[in-house]
Amino acid sequence: DGGITQSPKYLFRKEGQNVTLSCEQNLNHDAMYWYRQDPGQGLRLIYYSQIVNDFQKGDIAEGYSVSREKKESFPLTVTSAQKNPTAFYLCASSIVLRRTNTGELFFGEGSRLTVL
Amino acid sequence: EDQVTQSPEALRLQEGESSSLNCSYTVSGLRGLFWYRQDPGKGPEFLFTLYSAGEEKEKERLKATLTKKESFLHITAPKPEDSATYLCAVQARSNYQLIWGAGTKLIIKP
Repeated sequence: DGGITQSPKYLFRKEGQNVTLSCEQNLNHDAMYWYRQDPGQGLRLIYYSQIVNDFQKGDIAEGYSVSREKKESFPLTVTSAQKNPTAFYLCASSIVLRRTNTGELFFGEGSRLTVL
Repeated sequence: EDQVTQSPEALRLQEGESSSLNCSYTVSGLRGLFWYRQDPGKGPEFLFTLYSAGEEKEKERLKATLTKKESFLHITAPKPEDSATYLCAVQARSNYQLIWGAGTKLIIKP
């Protein structure tokens, strides 16, 4: 079955540590995204990528980094510079039509990061 | 500033009791409005896309409608399995990234 796989589902981090969240898709989608979800707030875009070896900052990119070396993979690193990293992280993908992301996103099951 | 506001924050209904969820938006040129369903601890699941005022989409007990300022998600005779958080997002013509509302948590009691 096609879909998006995020791992790990739960992750605990000590302050000062970097952690990397994995996101893999087999939908053959060009665009991939990372969102952060906090209680009572809408999803906030961290980074997105429309093509391999290219990615753009979203609204809250500070303290995060990404790479897009393969079409299928878009890992997110939460660095020690991120002041409040405890959150639910969602990876998504979509097709690109005429260089425009469609609004129909396919999401993974999420990764919950807790800083101890 | 582009923004999306969903109301109410939470809604408790008895099984079979129909109601509506609201999504109000301000955006400089609407490209599309999207509804998603999110179950606890899961990623959102796409439901509908609406592009222009007057458009309607239906799926089982759900019907989404769109005006120039808001969208409604009507739930007819809901069942407990319809319990979830429903998210609304808009996409502007000038910026293709989605702007999300905070969601409405719907609880259907048997």
